[in-house]
Amino acid sequence: QVQLVESGGGVVQPGRSLRLSCAASGFTFSNYGMNWVRLAPGKGLEWVTVISYDGHKKYYADSVKGRFNVSRDNSKNTLYLQMNSLRAEDTAVYYCAKDPNSGTYQGNWFESWGQGTLVTVSS
Amino acid sequence: SYGLTQPLSVSVALGQTARITCGGNSIGSKKVHWYQQKPGQAPVLVIYRDTNRPSGIPERFSGSNSGNTATLTISRAQAGDEADYYCQVWDSGTALFGGGTTLTVV
Repeated sequence: QVQLVESGGGVVQPGRSLRLSCAASGFTFSNYGMNWVRLAPGKGLEWVTVISYDGHKKYYADSVKGRFNVSRDNSKNTLYLQMNSLRAEDTAVYYCAKDPNSGTYQGNWFESWGQGTLVTVSS
Repeated sequence: SYGLTQPLSVSVALGQTARITCGGNSIGSKKVHWYQQKPGQAPVLVIYRDTNRPSGIPERFSGSNSGNTATLTISRAQAGDEADYYCQVWDSGTALFGGGTTLTVV
């Protein structure tokens, strides 16, 4: 069955960088678009970014555009989120989520989710 | 930019029907998906493409979408249905979530 395992979260100072990973198994990773979604304390879900199955197309929420970069290594079945210039408002649990359909990356629902990794931005 | 509006909270008596709305301009022309999230857990998809239930989701969960409002209906509400519920759409290449609704079963 589909399994998504996030890692890389932790406490980081404002302005610093952090890289999150999402290890995928149970499906052909290279065929599916992948997303990052976050949940800040006391707030609702916020979509962060999507990457196409081949890594060629990427889209970002305005709140992270220019600071975050999504990438993937299909040979390692792993999704990444490079977060730069971190701010207090980036504090959240970050989830990776899988597109349901092979070959697509937009317009669909988030079929499977990881358990999340907590990022805390604080001095 | 496009926005989705959900009530902050909905309360329902045990065994009764809860309706959670998601408002948006001409949302009926979009495909709406719904997620349930309990504290400390990952979100779970409960309805996709307006009306479809994933396998494993009880028939008590149903959805509709028309005009400016999409609705998640939970029939015969149970204590285990207490959670936050989010609607989600895509607009202009990006995904959007509603602000979320906390369902309380009393």
